[in-house]
Amino acid sequence: QVQLQQSGPGLVKASQTLSLTCAISGDSVSTYSATWNWIRQSPSRGLEWLGRTYHRSKWYSDYAVSVKSRITINPDTSKNQFSLQLNSVTPEDTAVYYCARAADSPTYPPTRFDPWGQGTLVTVSS
Amino acid sequence: QSALTQPASVSGSPGQSITISCTGTSSDVGGFNYVSWYQQHPGKAPKLMIYDVSNRPSGVSNRFSGSKSGNTASLTISGLQAEDEADFYCSSYSSSNTLVFGGGTRLTVL
Repeated sequence: QVQLQQSGPGLVKASQTLSLTCAISGDSVSTYSATWNWIRQSPSRGLEWLGRTYHRSKWYSDYAVSVKSRITINPDTSKNQFSLQLNSVTPEDTAVYYCARAADSPTYPPTRFDPWGQGTLVTVSS
Repeated sequence: QSALTQPASVSGSPGQSITISCTGTSSDVGGFNYVSWYQQHPGKAPKLMIYDVSNRPSGVSNRFSGSKSGNTASLTISGLQAEDEADFYCSSYSSSNTLVFGGGTRLTVL
């Protein structure tokens, strides 16, 4: 079955860049039948979809409006993984960050996330 | 404040059935059949339990069922078991091309 394994630092200083990676097993980041997503969860903001990357003859990335100016999600086909970069972080970006697979969907954003990575608590220090 | 409204907590005894509600508007829950439910145990990642209002992913117990009436979706758990104790979150596609989540419901098995 598909499994997602996250890695990356749990502490980032304000104004710097948050970087996380999600390694995929049991599927391919290049598959045409899924998209690869980042979602975060915090007490103040709840669950929030951040964006996705996917391959449909070429690579695409889509981002939530709330973070669009600061976020980049990229695939890495050589390692079968994808990454999240969030620039200019503030303490409000403190959250547990999850990667998740979404089955191909007629909606944007996708609505069916399965499975999820184990989560990474990222604390932004001021 | 979350876009979708869920009760903060529900409880039930083993073997009983409980229902968790998720109330939105005609722009999200009421307007589309794209409601999902997730179970989250403490310190763990969410797990998809129901998608597209009433569909169960492979491997999810048939004790979990979903439905919708108007602007309110519901998750019903029958034959409550101790391991069902967790937080549950609903989500819905929204007409503004966004994904909205509920604030979560803590299920306690008495």
